[in-house]
Amino acid sequence: DAKTTQPNSMESNEEEPVHLPCNHSTISGTDYIHWYRQLPSQGPEYVIHGLTSNVNNRMASLAIAEDRKSSTLILHRATLRDAAVYYCILRDGLNYGGSQGNLIFGKGTKLSVKP
Amino acid sequence: NAGVMQNPRHLVRRRGQEARLRCSPMKGHSHVYWYRQLPEEGLKFMVYLQKENIIDESGMPKERFSAEFPKEGPSILRIQQVVRGDSAAYFCASSPGGGGYEQYFGPGTRLTVT
Repeated sequence: DAKTTQPNSMESNEEEPVHLPCNHSTISGTDYIHWYRQLPSQGPEYVIHGLTSNVNNRMASLAIAEDRKSSTLILHRATLRDAAVYYCILRDGLNYGGSQGNLIFGKGTKLSVKP
Repeated sequence: NAGVMQNPRHLVRRRGQEARLRCSPMKGHSHVYWYRQLPEEGLKFMVYLQKENIIDESGMPKERFSAEFPKEGPSILRIQQVVRGDSAAYFCASSPGGGGYEQYFGPGTRLTVT
């Protein structure tokens, strides 16, 4: 899996939007961009993933740059419960259903949300 | 639909004892992954299993650690002769398939070696 770069930490105010950036300049054409988050003292939680087009789900939106070298996870209205470490992970689409299934976690971005 | 279950949630062992960590995947999932998170560090992959098969154990320490996922019952991560450096949170994840499928994590087992 290719490498990603994220800021170590970010702060947000409650009920404001949060944009969490991720750089992946060496992404290959078949790599999917996945986001997971880990709340304090809990296991990681899948958030969203995409390939080329922007994606929305009930938790967040994923905006992918046209050249795919970067992406942004968007939390539309941060709540205190969104305080977590957010991980941006690339996964090879050619390996879908294959034998290399593990996630490679970097240091992620620690998001703090102020009331 | 129950999520991934892990037990025990907390486990205390003395140096030299054995630790057994259990993971029951989500219903319908036959792929299980184990990860370890040392204090103040990131999550590291340990092993990937399907029913009765180890698919990838490239992250497992060469000695004292073993894992299984039998045809019936939970997946087991076994650590023999534990040492203080084994103190960590151990997370299990399951998915409906290998490769790029989303993984669903359990709450973890926090192992403390005294």
